[in-house]
Amino acid sequence: AQTVTQSQPEMSVQEAETVTLSCTYDTSESDYYLFWYKQPPSRQMILVIRQEAYKQQNATENRFSVNFQKAAKSFSLKISDSQLGDAAMYFCAYRRIGRNTPLVFGKGTRLSVIA
Amino acid sequence: NAGVTQTPKFQVLKTGQSMTLQCAQDMNHEYMSWYRQDPGMGLRLIHYSVGAGITDQGEVPNGYNVSRSTTEDFPLRLLSAAPSQTSVYFCASSPGLGQFFGPGTRLTVL
Repeated sequence: AQTVTQSQPEMSVQEAETVTLSCTYDTSESDYYLFWYKQPPSRQMILVIRQEAYKQQNATENRFSVNFQKAAKSFSLKISDSQLGDAAMYFCAYRRIGRNTPLVFGKGTRLSVIA
Repeated sequence: NAGVTQTPKFQVLKTGQSMTLQCAQDMNHEYMSWYRQDPGMGLRLIHYSVGAGITDQGEVPNGYNVSRSTTEDFPLRLLSAAPSQTSVYFCASSPGLGQFFGPGTRLTVL
């Protein structure tokens, strides 16, 4: 079974600085998808960024980028120019290839942003 | 589009009571799923469905039933609530890659 591990239960960052959240996963599949979700205090789950494993290029969405290391099974999220609104729980998730397959989540990292 | 809707937003039950958490989506997605979120545990999959009439178990299915009679609706039933089912429940639907989540239901079982 696939597992996702987020080794940092809590992180903090100064406003305008950069922070990196770690995620590792375990799978025997060669092709799959990886995601980062943000959960602010409102509880809503928001997709931040996704990566297809067959793509070597790291995904980027504005201030959010990933460092995808397939051989190491590592998928870290970098947030640049951190803003107060970035404070939230962040979940890393894995999904094996296929149209209708479930997500497997890590336990999350709580990010605090210090003004 | 309303996206994924869940009702109720909050619910308090007594041990042994039954109830149904409602989930609906208006995006014509084949795939729908239910997760529960507990402190320090992330989201864990309860049940999922890949289309009307097709359901399957996830990681933590015990104590929950589901059915999928239409593409739009995917209700989650608790037949006899237990305190261990106190949690936040999320419904999600997917057109393929990323999933769209509902706003969640906070359930407390006393």
